[in-house]
Amino acid sequence: GAGVSQSPRYKVAKRGQDVALRCDPISGHVSLFWYQQALGQGPEFLTYFQNEAQLDKSGLPSDRFFAERPEGSVSTLKIQRTQQEDSAVYLCASSLAGRGSYEQYFGPGTRLTVT
Amino acid sequence: AQTVTQSQPEMSVQEAETVTLSCTYDTSESDYYLFWYKQPPSRQMILVIRQEAYKQQNATENRFSVNFQKAAKSFSLKISDSQLGDAAMYFCAYKRGTGTASKLTFGTGTRLQVTL
Repeated sequence: GAGVSQSPRYKVAKRGQDVALRCDPISGHVSLFWYQQALGQGPEFLTYFQNEAQLDKSGLPSDRFFAERPEGSVSTLKIQRTQQEDSAVYLCASSLAGRGSYEQYFGPGTRLTVT
Repeated sequence: AQTVTQSQPEMSVQEAETVTLSCTYDTSESDYYLFWYKQPPSRQMILVIRQEAYKQQNATENRFSVNFQKAAKSFSLKISDSQLGDAAMYFCAYKRGTGTASKLTFGTGTRLQVTL
């Protein structure tokens, strides 16, 4: 079956622009995660959804970052008034459940470059 | 807060040889999971192996095995019979076993180079 997909794969934004990044999780996966991966670093957690409920948003770096998953499937990460420090790869992952050792399946990521 | 440390930014191994990647972590929890993920240059992260903290037996997956030392909070990955396709970034990751905090906490990664 299809894996996690993300779009766009690459996004260039001018500083101050708003961007929206989309994640299509694996069908039937309850849990969805967003991570931010700066160049040369490991991914860092941004936010977590269980179905449509956003249960943890402790990793969002500022109030310019907003995520939603209104119908419990597709999720969108929105960044308002982008800054250069927002340049990174944004990874989405989904899993059957949040608890336990269930594997998180990752998408290919969206590389955001803010100029 | 939990932290994961990978002290080897880069490692190199010859094809068919064995290499061990190191990982240490810090936690006050007793129930947790540990993972090794592989990230090839195409960027899609793939699970290599997982270990439940309550299991004493080290996990193995074909050519991949771990050495889990709970008291020392160490979780190393051994790759046997290395292949060119093993070249990638390898990330060690930690996950709490309780509560709704199901996020993965990653180390900074080890870049593995496989040479002929």
